[in-house]
Amino acid sequence: QPVLTQSSSASASLGSSVKLTCTLSSGHRSYTIAWHQQQSGKAPRFLMKLGNSGTYNKGTGVPDRLSGSSSGADRYLTISNLQSEDEADYYCETWDSYTRVFGGGTKLTVL
Amino acid sequence: QLQLQESGPGLVKPSETLSLTCNVSGVSISSSSFFWGWIRQPPGKGLEWIGSIFYSGSTYYNPSLKSRITLSIDTSKKQFSLTLSSVTAADTAVYYCARHERGGDWPTDSWGQGTLVTVSS
Repeated sequence: QPVLTQSSSASASLGSSVKLTCTLSSGHRSYTIAWHQQQSGKAPRFLMKLGNSGTYNKGTGVPDRLSGSSSGADRYLTISNLQSEDEADYYCETWDSYTRVFGGGTKLTVL
Repeated sequence: QLQLQESGPGLVKPSETLSLTCNVSGVSISSSSFFWGWIRQPPGKGLEWIGSIFYSGSTYYNPSLKSRITLSIDTSKKQFSLTLSSVTAADTAVYYCARHERGGDWPTDSWGQGTLVTVSS
């Protein structure tokens, strides 16, 4: 089954941009993933699904400041013009033959 | 608009069975475009998929929990349920019900608000 690897933490300044990475395990480089945001004390929120070509489809109400891209086994979430409400945990997710896995999550701090 | 609402006891004793229900509103639980799942999050930790179920009743489970899990669905009541047997303190977590898309890709696209279940005597 696939494994997703994420950095445990990231930080960036208010108004700047940040790129979070989710890496798929060997043998699963072509997989589509989903990105989810979890603000403190809240349920996760679906942000987008992101394919290996870099094509992404965002969830309802997800700001234009958020975008996705791909390169090889890496799937990226880019947040531009960082706002205070972007401070959250970000998880990637994928699925395979009736199995579903999540990455360990990246805690994003907005400075 | 889709709403997912978990319900069930917030406290379960060790070795007993945890039972939760998710009520689905705003969309047909019998739609072939979606299926339904449970995901949990221990305090301060990441997300762990528990299992998922189709409206037909077909299920698939996390292999690490499979021996203790049962998922069921009642389309007439617009709800699906989770039972987890022989619980220990390690099963203390916020439990989320969720919807997965069913098409070329199967992302989780909606989440319930979550319910905290504590395992303690």
